[in-house]
Amino acid sequence: DAGITQSPRHKVTETGTPVTLRCHQTENHRYMYWYRQDPGHGLRLIHYSYGVKDTDKGEVSDGYSVSRSKTEDFLLTLESATSSQTSVYFCAISESAQNSPLHFGNGTRLTVT
Amino acid sequence: AQSVTQLGSHVSVSEGALVLLRCNYSSSVPPYLFWYVQYPNQGLQLLLKYTTGATLVKGINGFEAEFKKSETSFHLTKPSAHMSDAAEYFCAPPRRNRLAFGKGNQVVVIP
Repeated sequence: DAGITQSPRHKVTETGTPVTLRCHQTENHRYMYWYRQDPGHGLRLIHYSYGVKDTDKGEVSDGYSVSRSKTEDFLLTLESATSSQTSVYFCAISESAQNSPLHFGNGTRLTVT
Repeated sequence: AQSVTQLGSHVSVSEGALVLLRCNYSSSVPPYLFWYVQYPNQGLQLLLKYTTGATLVKGINGFEAEFKKSETSFHLTKPSAHMSDAAEYFCAPPRRNRLAFGKGNQVVVIP
C-alpha cells in the first residue's frame, strides 16, 4: 500500500472554528489531492498540488485553503467550519497528472456541529 | 469537459451471479480510464486501469472491464459475485489532467 497517512481520522468541531487536516506521504509523489465524499455526490475535488508551494483549486474549493511546504505534507484548512462541510475527506497522491492512478489515504471523518 | 455516468446508485446481486456495473463517458475517447473500489471505512483502491489500445482489461479480485468506443462505455464485470465484493465502485476517466469520478455504485451481495 502507498504510504499515505491522514490525521486526525475523526474530528468533531463547532461551527465557526478553524480546522486543519493533514496528509502525509512517504512515496515522494509530486501530486497530492484533497477530495470530499458525500452521499449522492461521489468524490469531489477540493484542491490539489503539483509541487511544493504549487496548488490549484478544484471544483468545490470555497471555504477551504491548502498549503504544501514540503513534498510529503499537504494540509487542508477549513477557515471557519460550517455544517455543510461535515463530510469524509480523502487525501490522494499520484506520480504524474496523467495516466497515473491515484492512491488514497483512509480518510478523515469530520463533523461540524 | 469529460464526465462520467454511472447508472443505479445501488446494485443488488445474488452471491454467485454476474456483477455488471455500467460506466459511460461523455466526450472524446479518453487515453485512460480507471475503476476504483471502496470498502467500508477505507479509501479508494485501484481495481483496474485502461490505456489506449486495450479493449478488455483485467483487474484484481476477478474483475474485468471492456472498453467499447462505439458505445462510449467501460463497464465493469465479474462472472460470479462473492460476499467480499460488497463495496462501492467508482469509474474515473481523466478530465483536464485530473480524474472525474462517477457518483459510484454501492454493490450489495445477497447470500
